[in-house]
Amino acid sequence: DIQMTQSPSTLSASVGDRVTITCRASQSISSWLAWYQQKPGKAPKLLIYKTSSLESGVPSRFSGSGSGTEFTLTISSLQPDDFATYYCQQSNSYSWTFGQGTKVEIK
Amino acid sequence: EVQLVESGGGLVQPGGSLRLSCAASGFTFSSYEMTWVRQAPGKGLEWVSYISSSGSTIYSADSVKGRFTISRDNAKNSLYLQMNNLRAEDTAVYSCVRVSATLFSYYFDYWGQGTLVTVSS
Repeated sequence: DIQMTQSPSTLSASVGDRVTITCRASQSISSWLAWYQQKPGKAPKLLIYKTSSLESGVPSRFSGSGSGTEFTLTISSLQPDDFATYYCQQSNSYSWTFGQGTKVEIK
Repeated sequence: EVQLVESGGGLVQPGGSLRLSCAASGFTFSSYEMTWVRQAPGKGLEWVSYISSSGSTIYSADSVKGRFTISRDNAKNSLYLQMNNLRAEDTAVYSCVRVSATLFSYYFDYWGQGTLVTVSS
């Protein structure tokens, strides 16, 4: 199986900060990467698919980039609603895997 | 509005069985691939099993292969997960998830709230 490793595991930031989360794959996954946001007690929400395509209704402050084995999710200006846990997910093969999650906390 | 509502979770002893159901509405269920994703308490997300729109193709994670079976009834707009020989490590919230795809990029665009399965004696 392809392993997905996110860094950092926890991130402390302030409103207005630019935030970057990295996701590394154990082998090349081309551009087949998605990002999700999850708040406590809620279902995950799709933010970005195919590395950089923004899901409908997701604010433009979220962006994704990368290819091969290294990918990033960037929040250009962190808002109060963005404090949550973020997961990457690969779909290169039919054994889909998620990263372990990055919790974005209030500094 | 897309809705996915799971049911069937509960407390079961190790080695026991449960069948989860997911009622889908708000979209043409028969046109979409579906999947189950689970999340153990306080842990991350784990993909469990996938089924094609027709039900002819199924994939499962190694951790559940041979024990869990995904199925669907397109006439009833329903997705199922039959779980046998349950283990303590299967304890999790199980969510029914719609799959969308762009070329070879598969992603999960709608999630149910999940149903809790607890495996304990």
